[in-house]
Amino acid sequence: DAGVIQSPRHEVTEMGQEVTLRCKPISGHDYLFWYRQTMMRGLELLIYFNNNVPIDDSGMPEDRFSAKMPNASFSTLKIQPSEPRDSAVYFCASSPQGNQPQHFGDGTRLSIL
Amino acid sequence: AQRVTQPEKLLSVFKGAPVELKCNYSYSGSPELFWYVQYSRQRLQLLLRHISRESIKGFTADLNKGETSFHLKKPFAQEEDSAMYYCALPSSGGSYIPTFGRGTSLIVHP
Repeated sequence: DAGVIQSPRHEVTEMGQEVTLRCKPISGHDYLFWYRQTMMRGLELLIYFNNNVPIDDSGMPEDRFSAKMPNASFSTLKIQPSEPRDSAVYFCASSPQGNQPQHFGDGTRLSIL
Repeated sequence: AQRVTQPEKLLSVFKGAPVELKCNYSYSGSPELFWYVQYSRQRLQLLLRHISRESIKGFTADLNKGETSFHLKKPFAQEEDSAMYYCALPSSGGSYIPTFGRGTSLIVHP
C-alpha cells in the first residue's frame, strides 16, 4: 500500500482565495482524521470521519473551513476564503479502527500571503 | 477530561547520553498509549505502543498506572534520533477523538 496520500504537497496562494486539500486514506481504513500543525499550537485535530460520516468537527476553527468525504477513498478539506493565519501544515491520517495507530500522510504545507 | 502532558518542549543531549522524554496522562479506565516520531519536515509515524511492549530503534516506554506516566527512554542517544516526539491517547471515552501532547523536540548533538 502506498500509505496515506495527500495533495498538493505545497500550496502558496493569496488571502481570499479558496484552498482545497486532498487526501486518499489507506484502503480498508474506516477512520480518517484531519490535523493542523503550527509552531504555536502544535498538532490540532480538526475533524474526523468514520465510514465517510463526519463524527466530530469541534476542532474546525470557523465556518471558513469545511471537510467532506464523498467515498471511502477520498476526502477534502476546504478553506474559503483563506487568511494568512491559516498558514500551517495540514495532515491527513487514517486508521483501521478509531483506537488503533494512525497512519499519517506527508502533509500539505500551506502558505497564505 | 482526557489529557496528555509533555512537560518539556525541548530536550538537548549529547550523543551517547541517556534520554528520557516525559509523558503524563489523565484518563479514566485502561489507557492505550502511543509514541509517534516526526523527523524534520516529514510525516508523523508510529514509534511504539504500550501494549506491544517492544523496543523500536532502541527506544522503550513503560506504562506506569500509579504515576499515570508513559515516559520514552533510550540508554544511548544517536544523532539520527533528533526529531519531534509526540505522546498520544487514541480515544476519549466513547468516542475516538485522539489526544496528542504538545510534543518534545529532541536534539542530539555530536
